[in-house]
Amino acid sequence: DVKVTQSSRYLVKRTGEKVFLECVQDMDHENMFWYRQDPGLGLRLIYFSYDVKMKEKGDIPEGYSVSREKKERFSLILESASTNQTSMYLCASSLGLAGRSWTQYFGPGTRLLVL
Amino acid sequence: GDSVTQMEGPVTLSEEAFLTINCTYTATGYPSLFWYVQYPGEGLQLLLKATKADDKGSNKGFEATYRKETTSFHLEKGSVQVSDSAVYFCALSRWTNAGKSTFGDGTTLTVKP
Repeated sequence: DVKVTQSSRYLVKRTGEKVFLECVQDMDHENMFWYRQDPGLGLRLIYFSYDVKMKEKGDIPEGYSVSREKKERFSLILESASTNQTSMYLCASSLGLAGRSWTQYFGPGTRLLVL
Repeated sequence: GDSVTQMEGPVTLSEEAFLTINCTYTATGYPSLFWYVQYPGEGLQLLLKATKADDKGSNKGFEATYRKETTSFHLEKGSVQVSDSAVYFCALSRWTNAGKSTFGDGTTLTVKP
């Protein structure tokens, strides 16, 4: 089974702090994704990566950056956390173009509270 | 652009009732269609999928048929259980969009004993 793990289930940070959310997948997937999930707004794509060091902005990239130095790891960075970034953050991966499979496998999520 | 519209919730049913959650989509070409389920406190997981017109995806008693003519992928289950209480997301992906998915807003299902 594909496993996607996220570094924390719950995180509390202060406004202005730099925050790192880590995601690791163990199935050699090409694609990795970061979403945020808010009540009434569904899932919104923050960033997408289709290969090591390759990234593409999603629908709401402002205030976020990402890093993918190794294929299995995709990090989301909040450069200066703000209260409006309080949310549930979901990481996902998929096999991608090589495998012709778009099924996404999700981690358990990180619930971030910014005070 | 691509879009997915699913029936608004929340939906509340009694155990053993019939479930339908409607999903329609707008996309160019031939997208793959998915239903994902999110149980409380967890991430999403794939429930079922279909990759071409008239395909039927099925899993755990749930079914959905890819209808190209009506651009729909409605989720059905003949007899729901309390354990089916969750949020259900309809989604599509296209290879020409690098496999990024477009998700519906989710439908919350509560099943009462």
